Amino acid sequence: EAGVVQSPRYKIIEKKQPVAFWCNPISGHNTLYWYLQNLGQGPELLIRYENEEAVDDSQLPKDRFSAERLKGVDSTLKIQPAELGDSAVYLCASSLGLAGRGEQFFGPGTRLTVL
Amino acid sequence: GESVGLHLPTLSVQEGDNSIINCAYSNSASDYFIWYKQESGKGPQFIIDIRSNMDKRQGQRVTVLLNKTVKHLSLQIAATQPGDSAVYFCAENMNTGNQFYFGTGTSLTVIP
Repeated sequence: EAGVVQSPRYKIIEKKQPVAFWCNPISGHNTLYWYLQNLGQGPELLIRYENEEAVDDSQLPKDRFSAERLKGVDSTLKIQPAELGDSAVYLCASSLGLAGRGEQFFGPGTRLTVL
Repeated sequence: GESVGLHLPTLSVQEGDNSIINCAYSNSASDYFIWYKQESGKGPQFIIDIRSNMDKRQGQRVTVLLNKTVKHLSLQIAATQPGDSAVYFCAENMNTGNQFYFGTGTSLTVIP
């Protein structure tokens, strides 16, 4: 069974440019998460979807970040415009359970570097 | 978010020895905990979980201990192998919060 797929794996952009990350969760998983991970730190939740509904986006900086999960499957996370402090690894995870419980399966992440 | 801290940022052990990674959490309302392993260039991987109605849970070569009195969690790895070298995170969850809070992580290095 394929795991969580993310693309691109690496992205280098200049500040003020837009960037988008894509995630394909494990088939059948209802819940999808986007996390931000800074070097040496644990992942921090940005947004959680249950099917196509964003049920927890309290930590998403909505002035520059946006996300969508059309049809309750794939998801994209966008930053516009990117800032130097956005350099980090962006992780996508999915789980079968709802309400934030259940084992989360993580993708390999997208490493973003903003110059 | 709530604070989930680890006592030691790095840990080095000899191959074959047992490893103990510790984690302190601050919210007594947390009722579900997970240990994750993260290898370089990969996402975190589930190792073992434990609910607050338990104080010990065993898996294959791993044991998690939960002490709710002092809000402490530990991960024990038996007969540590080079493949165990990674960063280990504990994460806590409160049912009312519906999200996990991850600690900073402990880097485990296994010396052959």
